[in-house]
Amino acid sequence: DAGVIQSPRHEVTEMGQEVTLRCKPISGHNSLFWYRQTMMRGLELLIYFNNNVPIDDSGMPEDRFSAKMPNASFSTLKIQPSEPRDSAVYFCASSLFTPAGPGELFFGEGSRLTVL
Amino acid sequence: AQRVTQPEKLLSVFKGAPVELKCNYSYSGSPELFWYVQYSRQRLQLLLRHISRESIKGFTADLNKGETSFHLKKPFAQEEDSAMYYCALNGGANNLFFGTGTRLTVIP
Repeated sequence: DAGVIQSPRHEVTEMGQEVTLRCKPISGHNSLFWYRQTMMRGLELLIYFNNNVPIDDSGMPEDRFSAKMPNASFSTLKIQPSEPRDSAVYFCASSLFTPAGPGELFFGEGSRLTVL
Repeated sequence: AQRVTQPEKLLSVFKGAPVELKCNYSYSGSPELFWYVQYSRQRLQLLLRHISRESIKGFTADLNKGETSFHLKKPFAQEEDSAMYYCALNGGANNLFFGTGTRLTVIP
């Protein structure tokens, strides 16, 4: 298994443009998480899904951010319009949640976003 | 509300010296805590979880509910321990909240 796959690895865009980040979780995992990493705030949980259903999106900064998970093997995080303060590394992670509790999170390599 | 605090952004120790990375948490329920590590050019990965009570790569962490702490310790630091370390708290609904991280540098 190649693990969690994220694309693109790097994205440079101009303010106002739409950005779409993609994630393919590990096959068989039923939970998917989007995190944002910055120097100041560390790793912030943006949103997570259980069985493709968004459970908690309270970490999404504002309406410019949206996330979808149309099926068990794909998720997107969209920023529209993008702003310079959105520049960060965005991580996707997946895990297998069971009645015993959350499993280990497996992270992708991250998507480094720079908004000029 | 859940909160994880890692007071040190940077920590440098000499090889062979003891190391302690601090983590304090705020949580009203029964906490489940983790340490994740990110080595240079590698993915963020689980180092250890408190319920396992195990030692991984010489690291241990004890949950102290009285002090609401989960500090990560190793008696003798090695150069390969240099990495970014994150403390994380299970928020009770399958969501993990991370601290701001501590970058550990082990000086040869």
